Amino acid sequence: QKEVEQDPGPLSVPEGAIVSLNCTYSNSAFQYFMWYRQYSRKGPELLMYTYSSGNKEDGRFTAQVDKSSKYISLFIRDSQPSDSATYLCAMTISNFGNEKLTFGTGTRLTIIP
Amino acid sequence: NAGVMQNPRHLVRRRGQEARLRCSPMKGHSHVYWYRQLPEEGLKFMVYLQKENIIDESGMPKERFSAEFPKEGPSILRIQQVVRGDSAAYFCASSRDRESGYTFGSGTRLTVV
Repeated sequence: QKEVEQDPGPLSVPEGAIVSLNCTYSNSAFQYFMWYRQYSRKGPELLMYTYSSGNKEDGRFTAQVDKSSKYISLFIRDSQPSDSATYLCAMTISNFGNEKLTFGTGTRLTIIP
Repeated sequence: NAGVMQNPRHLVRRRGQEARLRCSPMKGHSHVYWYRQLPEEGLKFMVYLQKENIIDESGMPKERFSAEFPKEGPSILRIQQVVRGDSAAYFCASSRDRESGYTFGSGTRLTVV
């Protein structure tokens, strides 16, 4: 069993729709959770970083963590064609930046104009 | 302020040759991380280095792979006697210190023929 499971998609939604991306994990030691966006032929770009269970909002993006269920989500409101990319969840045991990140396989998202 | 610079962007090697991948971290960053992304898989941690020190190499294959981050110059990921299974995108990331976030480069795509 993989430590982090993520539906690979692909996922296609019309412009303006709400997008829900999800990951589950098995290692209860994970404490810090991140979402990265990766455009084709580019490196991952950090979108959201959360620690505690609950919701964190940043513009059109909301990250949700449920540690009791070992489940994290990223919601994108008012989706735009420029949101078309692969979205990767990542997590680590301790302080962000000083431990290796464990990534999901990524979900490929296409926003249809 | 230039980001994390990786070169070459694309590298083709024949089986049995050596591959050398270079990573120049962002200015002021002294922590470097290498990840590998195989087709249809997420990023996998390989190694974490500081200047002249390997901090965590738990993700490095035991043979043929080595990494260094000298006092002067870029970090180098070296793969000896490459095989077809080494074909992947190799990403470097850097951070200022142990508590700062990662910034990823655009990667080196290695193809072994």
